[in-house]
Amino acid sequence: GAVVSQHPSRVICKSGTSVKIECRSLDFQATTMFWYRQFPKQSLMLMATSNEGSKATYEQGVEKDKFLINHASLTLSTLTVTSAHPEDSSFYICSARDSRGGRSDTQYFGPGTRLTVL
Amino acid sequence: AQSVAQPEDQVNVAEGNPLTVKCTYSVSGNPYLFWYVQYPNRGLQFLLKYITGDNLVKGSYGFEAEFNKSQTSFHLKKPSALVSDSALYFCAVRDMNNNAGNMLTFGGGTRLMVKP
Repeated sequence: GAVVSQHPSRVICKSGTSVKIECRSLDFQATTMFWYRQFPKQSLMLMATSNEGSKATYEQGVEKDKFLINHASLTLSTLTVTSAHPEDSSFYICSARDSRGGRSDTQYFGPGTRLTVL
Repeated sequence: AQSVAQPEDQVNVAEGNPLTVKCTYSVSGNPYLFWYVQYPNRGLQFLLKYITGDNLVKGSYGFEAEFNKSQTSFHLKKPSALVSDSALYFCAVRDMNNNAGNMLTFGGGTRLMVKP
């Protein structure tokens, strides 16, 4: 149990376009999901916390108008990178916190989405 | 504020030998501690966690970690390394007394290289 999927796994887009990345918890409900960004050979940096039915909480320095997050259901959160630029190229990873009792302390991670902006 | 340090960028070990990947942490309250493993171009896989109770935690793939409160450490160990254990390992901490609550802070990662 506790499987998280991401789609797409890899996307290449032109500068100025928008890209949507989906994060799904497949076998559990997740009231809270997280979006991370990882640069090559570096650790994960938390971008935002996505709460079902409410606005996302963004970390300092993350532009909320550029990285739009929607968490419309207990199993789906989406991250939209708007007007993407080459510097947005990165590996984006989501995680979901299992809402079930006893499991809520553990985050389960998706496989990641590699975004390349030309 | 909470923080995690993984002092070694890379650990090299021969197959069959024991391995240790080091992690120290800093939190204002009581810690939840986690180890994750990442294979190339993949997300993170959960290995094990310490919440409370026994200081020695056993996890997936034969890994274990020991919580040491006095040294604020949570080193990852395995008695006998496999070549397939070669990957990037992340230690993470969450302050259970923090109102921000959900946020995990990750260490910088340690690359484990197991040679045949």
